[in-house]
Amino acid sequence: EAGVAQSPRYKIIEKRQSVAFWCNPISGHATLYWYQQILGQGPKLLIQFQNNGVVDDSQLPKDRFSAERLKGVDSTLKIQPAKLEDSAVYLCASSGLRVYYGYTFGSGTRLTVV
Amino acid sequence: SQQGEEDPQALSIQEGENATMNCSYKTSINNLQWYRQNSGRGLVHLILIRSNEREKHSGRLRVTLDTSKKSSSLLITASRAADTASYFCATLNSGGYQKVTFGIGTKLQVIP
Repeated sequence: EAGVAQSPRYKIIEKRQSVAFWCNPISGHATLYWYQQILGQGPKLLIQFQNNGVVDDSQLPKDRFSAERLKGVDSTLKIQPAKLEDSAVYLCASSGLRVYYGYTFGSGTRLTVV
Repeated sequence: SQQGEEDPQALSIQEGENATMNCSYKTSINNLQWYRQNSGRGLVHLILIRSNEREKHSGRLRVTLDTSKKSSSLLITASRAADTASYFCATLNSGGYQKVTFGIGTKLQVIP
């Protein structure tokens, strides 16, 4: 079974620029998650989709972050404009409809804002 | 906000020794999961224990869960250099909207 695909692997941008990350979950997984992991911390949930609907975006900084999951498959996360504190690894994960068996994570995108 | 708190935050042991990491959490859970993260990589699911289970084994991994104390421990026996990684506990809350929340992690170094 193919894993969760994410791209790009690394990205360096200047503050106030925009950036987008892409995620393709495991085929058939209804639920997709975007996590932000700042160095030395655990992953923090930004947004959770079930199919193409948003289940939880309570910790998404909506003034600068946006995410979509068209057709309930792949997803993009965008930051516009970026701030220095957005430097982090952005992880995408997917699971079946019920999160009883754990998530499958992608390798993540390491974002550096300078 | 982060639900779990791992203890210790960093652990250094010799190859062949056992490593024990603890996790405490605050709310009622459906299950608790442990993940491993190698430097700069994504998280890998290791083991899941349900709220009605007390102990679970998988290879060299042993997980215990004490719901009365809201705590869990992960034991890695006969550690290897390849076990060097960060380990995170994650809890799935019970009731209502189901959400998995991660702790801050334990950084394990196994010295060959």
